[in-house]
Amino acid sequence: DAGVTQSPTHLIKTRGQQVTLRCSPKSGHDTVSWYQQALGQGPQFIFQYYEEEERQRGNFPDRFSGHQFPNYSSELNVNALLLGDSALYLCASSSLGTGHLNSPLHFGNGTRLTVT
Amino acid sequence: GQSLEQPSEVTAVEGAIVQINCTYQTSGFYGLSWYQQHDGGAPTFLSYNALDGLEETGRFSSFLSRSDSYGYLLLQELQMKDSASYFCAPHGGDSNYQLIWGAGTKLIIKP
Repeated sequence: DAGVTQSPTHLIKTRGQQVTLRCSPKSGHDTVSWYQQALGQGPQFIFQYYEEEERQRGNFPDRFSGHQFPNYSSELNVNALLLGDSALYLCASSSLGTGHLNSPLHFGNGTRLTVT
Repeated sequence: GQSLEQPSEVTAVEGAIVQINCTYQTSGFYGLSWYQQHDGGAPTFLSYNALDGLEETGRFSSFLSRSDSYGYLLLQELQMKDSASYFCAPHGGDSNYQLIWGAGTKLIIKP
């Protein structure tokens, strides 16, 4: 049973460029959340997708956008990259469709994005 | 508003017991989750408390007091592999499914 998979594992981009990160949720999960984690900090919630719609969003600018596909996989897009966007981007899946508010998050190993 | 407090760092000896405290303030509180994250790794789910009391899972136990907006994670028989960051994450906030994350507690285990 595959867990959450993310690609790529590492990425180096230049300031001003655009990036797309991908995530496949754990089998049986229908909800994907994206987090940004700076070194030494906790994960910061970017947004969550369920039924192909963004259902809630954290305090991130519109440069951060996403998408969820019918197979529940998801993409995170970041436009006009800034140096401060350098971080570990984590994808987490869960089963909110079951109505379980306490459905644990299963995290992928993340994508390490470096903006130069 | 929302707030979350846990110690930034805790040091303990291998084989000992350690307690990591968490106090929180959030609207619409549903429950408290705990996650473990090793350096360079992904957070992994440890436990969830929706009701007051103690939940035990092997060497780890988690406690919740809703009236005090307080919880703790208890780790027994500490092993070197328990060296990691531990995050308490209240479920609540502006919507039903949001978890609130702080900077976590770095647990250092000494032999």
